[in-house]
Amino acid sequence: GENVEQHPSTLSVQEGDSAVIKCTYSDSASNYFPWYKQELGKRPQLIIDIRSNVGEKKDQRIAVTLNKTAKHFSLHITETQPEDSAVYFCAASEGGFKTIFGAGTRLFVKA
Amino acid sequence: DAGVIQSPRHEVTEMGQEVTLRCKPISGHNSLFWYRQTMMRGLELLIYFNNNVPIDDSGMPEDRFSAKMPNASFSTLKIQPSEPRDSAVYFCASRVRGNEQFFGPGTRLTVL
Repeated sequence: GENVEQHPSTLSVQEGDSAVIKCTYSDSASNYFPWYKQELGKRPQLIIDIRSNVGEKKDQRIAVTLNKTAKHFSLHITETQPEDSAVYFCAASEGGFKTIFGAGTRLFVKA
Repeated sequence: DAGVIQSPRHEVTEMGQEVTLRCKPISGHNSLFWYRQTMMRGLELLIYFNNNVPIDDSGMPEDRFSAKMPNASFSTLKIQPSEPRDSAVYFCASRVRGNEQFFGPGTRLTVL
């Protein structure tokens, strides 16, 4: 069945550095790729998403890239800040009903 | 809109008891999802509904778990009998097809 792999599981960066999280998916029919941020004790919330007809999308310090041929997509956070510390989940959906989540990346931003 | 509403927010029960978790999706959303989150297993999809119809319940761990969606504004997840290994945070989420999921605040379940 559909599978989404996410790496790394843990990422520690210095404040101001960039952070990159990578995901691969298996279902070539997937066409919607959201990224969620989950702070400690809170619910996952969407931070950015990308659809298969776009290769890159940017929102301030956050960007997502998609390579449909290779079936992988990445989250880039620039100029990281302590408040970026959280668990980040990638996900893939074929636009129907089911969304498959990655296992999550725990990001630590050291001040 | 108040977002996805879940109740209770916290539940502590004893092994063997029945537990019922409740969810009210965002009005107008036609898909509803139940997830379980633990440190060991991450975010697991248990079951999802589309237009109140269960589409895929392959994530339901065993027969002790059941879920219903009697109408577009209400869903329940029931565990009977509950076991300590069911302790987790249970999230409900809803969406319009093909778009982002909105998560509820979760129910933290502790089974003693």
